[in-house]
Formats: sequence, C-alpha cells, structure tokens
Amino acid sequence: EPEVTQTPSHQVTQMGQEVILRCVPISNHLYFYWYRQILGQKVEFLVSFYNNEISEKSEIFDDQFSVERPDGSNFTLKIRSTKLEDSAMYFCASSGVSGANVLTFGAGSRLTVL
Amino acid sequence: QKEVEQNSGPLSVPEGAIASLNCTYSDRVSQSFFWYRQYSGKSPELIMSIYSNGDKEDGRFTAQLNKASQYVSLLIRDSQPSDSATYLCAVTPSGGGNKLTFGTGTQLKVEL
Repeated sequence: EPEVTQTPSHQVTQMGQEVILRCVPISNHLYFYWYRQILGQKVEFLVSFYNNEISEKSEIFDDQFSVERPDGSNFTLKIRSTKLEDSAMYFCASSGVSGANVLTFGAGSRLTVL
Repeated sequence: QKEVEQNSGPLSVPEGAIASLNCTYSDRVSQSFFWYRQYSGKSPELIMSIYSNGDKEDGRFTAQLNKASQYVSLLIRDSQPSDSATYLCAVTPSGGGNKLTFGTGTQLKVEL
C-alpha cells in the first residue's frame, strides 16, 4: 500500500538551530500538508501546499517556518531558529485529487529542542 | 476559533462490547467529517469519513452524523483489545479547503 515517508524519525537540536524535516508524499498525490502534535495535545494544522505554492497556513506557521518542494518527490518543512516550544511530532500528509480531503499521514518526525 | 470537542476519556469497555465515541463541532457549515485512530507514539490512521447526515457503516465501525445538532459519533461493535487507542475526530471547514481541525481525542481502553 502506498505510504508517506518521513525523515528523520527523531531529531534532537539545540535552541536557535535550523532543522529541515523531509517527506516523500504518495507519488500521485497533489496536495501536501504539515501538521504538528505537541506531546499530550491535539494534532494542529500548519500548512497545505498545492501546485507548488502554499494554499493555506495557520497562525502557527509564521516566518520561522517555510515549506518547499525542491524536486518531484520531496516536500520539506524548514524551521529556523528553533525554540523549546517547537518540540513536537511533525506529521506530513498528502491527498489526491479525487479524495482531496482524505489525508494519508506519514509516521512523523519527532523534534526535540534542547 | 472553530473548535472540535471530544471527551478525553479514558472510555473503558469490556471486550466484545460496543464502544461509543462522540464529537461536537462549532462550525455549523463544516463539510466533511473524519474519525482517525492514533496509537500511542504513532500517526493518525483514517478509520471513517462521513459527509452527509445519517449512518455510514464499514465493518465493525459505524459513523453517525447529525448536522443540525453539530454532532458526529463513532460506534465500534465487538470491541477488541487491539481497538485500544485514541480516536480523533476531525472536521474540514466551510468554504472548501482541505485543512483538518482535530479534536483532542478520546482514549479508548478495551479490557479483557
């Protein structure tokens, strides 16, 4: 069964450093998303991406964050100048045209900021 | 702020019983409704989607939607220990778009 692949599974970084989380969406999907889940809290929408541009973003997704689709397969989330409160599980998801709001999630990347 | 509300639980049911999970949402014109299952430390996994009022059945799972009451529920028949997880209700907003708004989830424990 097709799946969304995320790397790394766990990253530890120092406060103030930049991190890049990588995702390979399902190959024929056209919509891509990042969500995050702080430990013990709800899953929160960060950003959606379609046709090589951001289609929607949340209040959380400020100038500290950026997304990019650098090639035909990868979808990345960059977090600049990380803060302690950025520690969370970050989930990438993708969806196809026919079921545009039926999302398939990756296994997640756990980010720990020290 | 559009909200999705769930009782955090834990909801404990004996093996073989029916588990009933409930969710309310504040955006009256929300369009699509989803139930995800999340095991501890894992990602959300889609269980059911429902788009119109009434019931939708898939195996042991039945989703129920009542837009007038802004209420969506999930029934799990013949509950198994492997059903023990957190169940997340998610809603897409009015006006289109694919952003999911999640509730905090209900923890279900199925006891032997």
